[in-house]
Amino acid sequence: GQQLNQSPQSMFIQEGEDVSMNCTSSSIFNTWLWYKQEPGEGPVLLIALYKAGELTSNGRLTAQFGITRKDSFLNISASIPSDVGIYFCAGVATGANNLFFGTGTRLTVIP
Amino acid sequence: SQTIHQWPATLVQPVGSPLSLECTVEGTSNPNLYWYRQAAGRGLQLLFYSVGIGQISSEVPQNLSASRPQDRQFILSSKKLLLSDSGFYLCAWSVRPQDSPLHFGNGTRLTVT
Repeated sequence: GQQLNQSPQSMFIQEGEDVSMNCTSSSIFNTWLWYKQEPGEGPVLLIALYKAGELTSNGRLTAQFGITRKDSFLNISASIPSDVGIYFCAGVATGANNLFFGTGTRLTVIP
Repeated sequence: SQTIHQWPATLVQPVGSPLSLECTVEGTSNPNLYWYRQAAGRGLQLLFYSVGIGQISSEVPQNLSASRPQDRQFILSSKKLLLSDSGFYLCAWSVRPQDSPLHFGNGTRLTVT
């Protein structure tokens, strides 16, 4: 299957700091999605991106679909304790019917 | 609005026993349906997806199978569970993944003992 490299694997930050994580693929993607997962629950959609170069915000979250269509990043500004969780990127390759996921970034926010 | 239901929430099964996990979607027609597995602390691995009744695509060879007997019902099965089948199983649906996101159920925690 498709390989999605997500980094960093984990982050420990102080409350109030900004966070940045990114995802790269080995092939061209038509869709990039960012999800957050909390323990024992399914992933919840944060932001969906469908056009190369697209920059979309959802509150304190901002994500961009890279121009090369092989990468995407997610920024979280002014982190708060409830931002704790695992963040996953996911993408749909050209002509595909399924979504492939990155390995996740585990975020810990220290109050 | 659309909702997805997945059950049971947790399951403990002995090695060699059969498995049946069920997922149903409400509020939409002809969805794409997916089964993912997540090992502890790891990412999501796509197991099966279905674009219509009776149409199943398998992403990885394994001890599991999937069926879609009705438009909004997706079942994950095994005839004989292995220890390595333990994990967190997630069902998801989408309209068209190219231009609409996947929405996940709350998952089933399976422990094979």
